[in-house]
Amino acid sequence: QPQLQESGPGLVKPSETLSLVCNVYGDSITSRSYYWGWIRQPPGKGLEWIGSIFYSGSAYYNPSLKSRVTMSVDTSKNQFSLQLRSVTAADTAVYYCARLRGGKNEDYWGQGTLVTVSS
Amino acid sequence: DIQLTQSPSSLSASVGDRVTITCRASQRISNHLIWYQQKVGKAPKLLIFGASTLHSGVPSRFSGSGSGTEFNLTISTLEAEDFATYYCQQTYSTPLIDFGPGTKVDIK
Repeated sequence: QPQLQESGPGLVKPSETLSLVCNVYGDSITSRSYYWGWIRQPPGKGLEWIGSIFYSGSAYYNPSLKSRVTMSVDTSKNQFSLQLRSVTAADTAVYYCARLRGGKNEDYWGQGTLVTVSS
Repeated sequence: DIQLTQSPSSLSASVGDRVTITCRASQRISNHLIWYQQKVGKAPKLLIFGASTLHSGVPSRFSGSGSGTEFNLTISTLEAEDFATYYCQQTYSTPLIDFGPGTKVDIK
């Protein structure tokens, strides 16, 4: 099964841009079978889908975040990225990256990284 | 998007109890549903996919059932390590995915 590892700053200032990278191991990000996604979980709350991207760059975003989110893929590094602009304290969460296959199939997640928005 | 509800939102149970959690979808999603277990401070752990297929290494006391709009996760004999929060996720409309709000199982 694949391994996914999130990385990026653990602290971001309000109004700035949160940037995270997900490195994928044991699988090719150019596989036509999968999408690659970001999910977040604020402290003590439930799971929220942020967005998903195909290796070609086609991306789908949660409407509630769409105006602030950009996802991208770097096939040469077998990784994909998340940018969330104009962050506030409400964006403080554990951010997970995931391999999404859909249908009757399993999805695989990284271990998550905590990002705190604070001055 | 597809709305997922879970019931109950929380429950208290004892070791040895049989526990059933229900996930309902706002539209038919075939058997395209995943169940996760999450313990405090940890990433969600995959339990069941395709509504009823047990992920590798998951104890057989966990089972999933259902199709269409109603799904169940059952723990046949609750063990101490099973106290956690459980989430359902629809994979019917991937790359757009949705999660249930979670069911917290704690010790009575």
